Amino acid sequence: NAGVTQTPKFQVLKTGQSMTLQCAQDMNHNSMYWYRQDPGMGLRLIYYSASEGTTDKGEVPNGYNVSRLNKREFSLRLESAAPSQTSVYFCASSAGAVYGYTFGSGTRLTVV
Amino acid sequence: DQQVKQNSPSLSVQEGRISILNCDYTNSMFDYFLWYKKYPAEGPTFLISISSIKDKNEDGRFTVFLNKSAKHLSLHIVPSQPGDSAVYFCAAILLDGANSKLTFGKGITLSVRP
Repeated sequence: NAGVTQTPKFQVLKTGQSMTLQCAQDMNHNSMYWYRQDPGMGLRLIYYSASEGTTDKGEVPNGYNVSRLNKREFSLRLESAAPSQTSVYFCASSAGAVYGYTFGSGTRLTVV
Repeated sequence: DQQVKQNSPSLSVQEGRISILNCDYTNSMFDYFLWYKKYPAEGPTFLISISSIKDKNEDGRFTVFLNKSAKHLSLHIVPSQPGDSAVYFCAAILLDGANSKLTFGKGITLSVRP
């Protein structure tokens, strides 16, 4: 099925550990995004990539890095995980924001 | 400062009745507004959108109304069905070419009672 695939679906990290969240889309979209969802906070943009080879900070970029590996893949890295990064992370892609985003099913991350 | 506000965290309605979900925004320059629906353990899915030059857009049971002077939009679901129970996010776009991106509200949880 066409869409956005995120891996892993669940992850538990200890404080200070690092990990990379993977995201891939097969819709030939130029733009990709990483959001986090926290209770009572809605969806907040972490980083985005308007096109292959470019990345920009969103609303809450601190503690994260991203890589737009190619047109299909956009990864999110936590270098030193903190409990405040416990959240559900969503990757999305778009052919243009007015056409709406296609979201992945999310990664639930717990940092203990 | 939150630019898209959904001030009511939850709404409960009877099956068959109308659900009205409200959203306010502060930036009068927004070009488009969208609604997303989210079920537990799934990603949000696009529901309906409206251009800032329109005041109404309808798609089946879903209608979005935009009041630019009040910086307010609302999503009407008629008739409401139990399968509509989900979290609904209001979002807005300020068009900026390839850098256009959505700003989301906090969401509202709709419960439709059988």
